[in-house]
Formats: sequence, structure tokens, C-alpha cells
Amino acid sequence: KAGVTQTPRYLIKTRGQQVTLSCSPISGHRSVSWYQQTPGQGLQFLFEYFSETQRNKGNFPGRFSGRQFSNSRSEMNVSTLELGDSALYLCASSPRDRRFEQYFGPGTRLTVT
Amino acid sequence: AQSVTQLGSHVSVSEGALVLLRCNYSSSVPPYLFWYVQYPNQGLQLLLKYTSAATLVKGINGFEAEFKKSETSFHLTKPSAHMSDAAEYFCAVTDSGGSQGNLIFGKGTKLSVKP
Repeated sequence: KAGVTQTPRYLIKTRGQQVTLSCSPISGHRSVSWYQQTPGQGLQFLFEYFSETQRNKGNFPGRFSGRQFSNSRSEMNVSTLELGDSALYLCASSPRDRRFEQYFGPGTRLTVT
Repeated sequence: AQSVTQLGSHVSVSEGALVLLRCNYSSSVPPYLFWYVQYPNQGLQLLLKYTSAATLVKGINGFEAEFKKSETSFHLTKPSAHMSDAAEYFCAVTDSGGSQGNLIFGKGTKLSVKP
């Protein structure tokens, strides 16, 4: 099976802009989670989607949003970018019956200037 | 609220030596526990998991971990380090008891292996 894919892999944006990141889960996985990874804060949970519904949400401002499509692909959007949003954004998918066995993609490296 | 602590942000061992990476969680309700590994410029890969079955859990690449409820610990070990084990290791726990909630990750421990 193909692994989790994330596009784009690298992105440079300017403060105030918005960005959309994409994630394609492993075939058959219906749960997709998003994480932000920074050197200072480590890995922080953003949100989880299952069958197009947000099942869980972390402690991030409303500028961070996401959605999931009927084919389980997911996107996350960050509006009004701030310098502190520079991070590696990781997407993970998991099988229905083993929710926390997460399979991670390589991430999208976002740099905000 | 659940929290997870990994003692030591950097651990260095010689090739062939024992690897011990420490992880402690805070909740009195036994969570599900996981170890993940991250190689440079890659996402995380699941090494092993504890979900209330056997307390000694074996994972991939020769790693194992023991769940000790009395110590609220889930330390990761490998008897003999290999150069290819150099990576960052993350302990993760579910933030509610059992299978609920979401994963909380530790800050990570970077393992270096000296020849």
C-alpha cells in the first residue's frame, strides 16, 4: 500500500497570507489527524477527522481549520499567517479499529517570512 | 490532564551498548502508550504500542518497552545499539483513559550512536 502523502513538501509564505496543505491517507484509512511540530513546542495535536467529521480538536486558534472529503483526503488551512506558524505540519492516518496506530506522512515544511 | 515526560533530550551511546530511553506519564488511569521514531526529514514511524495486554511489548528493529503501572513508566530499551538507530524517539500517550481522546507526545529524545 502506498503511504501517507502530503503536498506540498515545502512552502514559503509571507505574514498575513493564508495557506492550504493537503494530505492523502493510506487507502482504507478513514481517520486523519494533523499535528504541528516545532523545536520549542514539539508535536502538538491540531485536529482529527473521521468520515468527514471533526472528531477532536486541539488547543489552536480559529485561524487553523481543516476538512475531510468523502475519499478521506484531508486539507488544513491556516489564515492570516504569523511568523510563529513556521513549523513542520504532519498528517497521520489510522485504521478504523486501531485509531492510535497512526501512520505519518513526511510533512509539509512551512516557513513564514 | 494527561502529560508525558521524556527524561533527557539527548542520549548518546556506543554501538553495541544498551539503549534506554525514559518515558513517564502522569495520569493514574492507565492510558494507551506508544513509541514512535523519526528519522531526519521524515514523518514518525510506530515502533511499538501498549494497549492493556502484556506489559512487556516488543516492537520493530529489536526495541521493546515495559509498562510499569506503579511507576507510571514506559521506558524503551534495545540490548545492542546499531548506527542505524540514530534518530529522534517520541513517547506518546492517549490523553484520556484507554482508547479515548487524542495522542499527547513527549518532547522527544534524540539518540546518537557512536562507532
